[in-house]
Amino acid sequence: SQTIHQWPATLVQPVGSPLSLECTVEGTSNPNLYWYRQAAGRGLQLLFYSVGIGQISSEVPQNLSASRPQDRQFILSSKKLLLSDSGFYLCAWRAGSSGTYEQYFGPGTRLTVT
Amino acid sequence: GDSVTQMEGPVTLSEEAFLTINCTYTATGYPSLFWYVQYPGEGLQLLLKATKADDKGSNKGFEATYRKETTSFHLEKGSVQVSDSAVYFCALSPQGGSNYKLTFGKGTLLTVNP
Repeated sequence: SQTIHQWPATLVQPVGSPLSLECTVEGTSNPNLYWYRQAAGRGLQLLFYSVGIGQISSEVPQNLSASRPQDRQFILSSKKLLLSDSGFYLCAWRAGSSGTYEQYFGPGTRLTVT
Repeated sequence: GDSVTQMEGPVTLSEEAFLTINCTYTATGYPSLFWYVQYPGEGLQLLLKATKADDKGSNKGFEATYRKETTSFHLEKGSVQVSDSAVYFCALSPQGGSNYKLTFGKGTLLTVNP
């Protein structure tokens, strides 16, 4: 069965510091991968998605970036965090080549920028 | 573009009450429809789905029927429990899933009191 991991689970970082959040998926190949943010409420904001190694699509211009160095690894980064980057970051995956379109989410990373 | 509208709540019910959370959508053709649930501090979990008109998705006592004529996918449960307290998201994937993305509603917070 497929499993998705995110780490760290919680993170407290000062303004201006760098960020690296990691997401890995097990039990599937060539998944589509996604980064979402949930800030101060319930809504989900899609930040990035990737359909393959090195292929990144950005949904929102901001000081965050994403990379996919391996098939089942997705990394969210920032060179300098802002207060507004605080939130709950969720990684998700979808089967890359099947007739089903649902996404499966990881447990999330709670980021607090102080 | 595609959109999902769901009642924002919050919805507060007593244990064993009947639950309905309304969800309507705007999309061309026949999108796939989903309900996700998010318990406090956790990622989203796929609750149920329907991929064609008149399909009924069901899981853990929850049901939702894909109504093409009313472009709706309302979530129902006959008798809620305290453990059902969570945020519920309605979502759609366009017909064929070619844009790789899900469109989410804003979420509905459900609180069930004993």
